[in-house]
Amino acid sequence: AQSVSQHNHHVILSEAASLELGCNYSYGGTVNLFWYVQYPGQHLQLLLKYFSGDPLVKGIKGFEAEFIKSKFSFNLRKPSVQWSDTAEYFCAVNPRNYGGSQGNLIFGNGTKLSVKP
Amino acid sequence: NAGVTQTPKFQVLKTGQSMTLQCAQDMNHEYMSWYRQDPGMGLRLIHYSVGAGITDQGEVPNGYNVSRSTTEDFPLRLLSAAPSQTSVYFCASSYSPQYLYGYTFGSGTRLTVV
Repeated sequence: AQSVSQHNHHVILSEAASLELGCNYSYGGTVNLFWYVQYPGQHLQLLLKYFSGDPLVKGIKGFEAEFIKSKFSFNLRKPSVQWSDTAEYFCAVNPRNYGGSQGNLIFGNGTKLSVKP
Repeated sequence: NAGVTQTPKFQVLKTGQSMTLQCAQDMNHEYMSWYRQDPGMGLRLIHYSVGAGITDQGEVPNGYNVSRSTTEDFPLRLLSAAPSQTSVYFCASSYSPQYLYGYTFGSGTRLTVV
């Protein structure tokens, strides 16, 4: 079965620290990749997505992610976090051309980020 | 533009009761889906629909029914609630092909089954 792994359950950083959240997926074919953010008490919002082309994708609020096909990874980065980045972050993968479920996103378990002011 | 609207926001049910979680979108999205979110388990797909009259099962469909009679609405029915269905439920929608656009999520329904 296809799966998405987010290895960090909870990350705690101080403001201005750099952030990297790991995401690995298990699927050998073509994929589309997404990062979503869920602020406390809110719904998921799209941060960025990769469809094709430049593997370095820039999203909203200064976030970026790099798709490394050989490593099946799509790690999320931000050079300097702010207290307002405190949220839960979900990596999601769409394994294209995967049977009848084409188009459904498979989500990782999420990484909680706590930023200390 | 309301986006994806879910009602109710909170609900407490007794074991064995049935109820319907409502989801409506006003973006003319072809694709709609229901996820449940449980601590440490991410989001798991319950059911999805690629258009009016078409539905299919996701990863955890047992105990839930859906229908899609219109493009706008995609209700989720709990047939006989069980404590294991205590969760936060999110409805999501997208243009097709959804892998191009990503999803727009509703604000969620927090369900407790006692």
